[in-house]
Amino acid sequence: SYVLTQPPSVSVAPGKTARITCGGNNIGSKSVHWYQQKPGQAPVLVVYDDSDRPSGIPERFSGSNSGNTATLTISRVEAGDEADYYCQVWESSNGHPNWVFGGGTQLTVL
Amino acid sequence: QVQLVESGGGVVQLGRSLRLSCAASGFTFSSYGMHWVRQAPGKGLEWVAVMSNDGNNKFYADSVKGRFTISRDNSKNTLYLQMNSLRAEDTAVYFCAKDALEMSTLFDYWGQGTLVTVSS
Repeated sequence: SYVLTQPPSVSVAPGKTARITCGGNNIGSKSVHWYQQKPGQAPVLVVYDDSDRPSGIPERFSGSNSGNTATLTISRVEAGDEADYYCQVWESSNGHPNWVFGGGTQLTVL
Repeated sequence: QVQLVESGGGVVQLGRSLRLSCAASGFTFSSYGMHWVRQAPGKGLEWVAVMSNDGNNKFYADSVKGRFTISRDNSKNTLYLQMNSLRAEDTAVYFCAKDALEMSTLFDYWGQGTLVTVSS
């Protein structure tokens, strides 16, 4: 099945830009979604279809997707952005759909 | 606003069964596909199962196929997950998640989850 690879951790200073990558074979041909999960909480959709934001998500969150890498970019990082971030795609093999997650990236705000 | 509230989790012995429920509100339940996604302690997210809005289509992850059954009652706005022959590796927080459409590529709302612990 399809594999998504994320770095286990990313650290960034407040006010700087964090970039979290998600690697997959020809991922640029798929729609990538990103979820934020804070400790003990449910995941929250922050970016969908590569680069769209749900209502209520700050413009500081953006996404891109090309080739074998999708990227979630968080500008002007705040302490409240500290969380685990997961990328996700949908794939189908032999008519069987599968919703695939990356392993997750822990974002630490220094 | 969309609310998803899971229940039914707990401690269960190896090989036994458990049924989870997810009560939905704040949207037209019968118009949307619904999923179960789980997260083992300290681990990442794993998709488990999906049922289309009308109940006619359902799919499972290979890890639970033949043991878990997803169902829904649109008259009660409730999603279920019947889990049989439970294994230690099924220990996880189980989230129900709303699909963005009847069955699409993403989850737009999640519940808070219910913890299932399978013990020997």
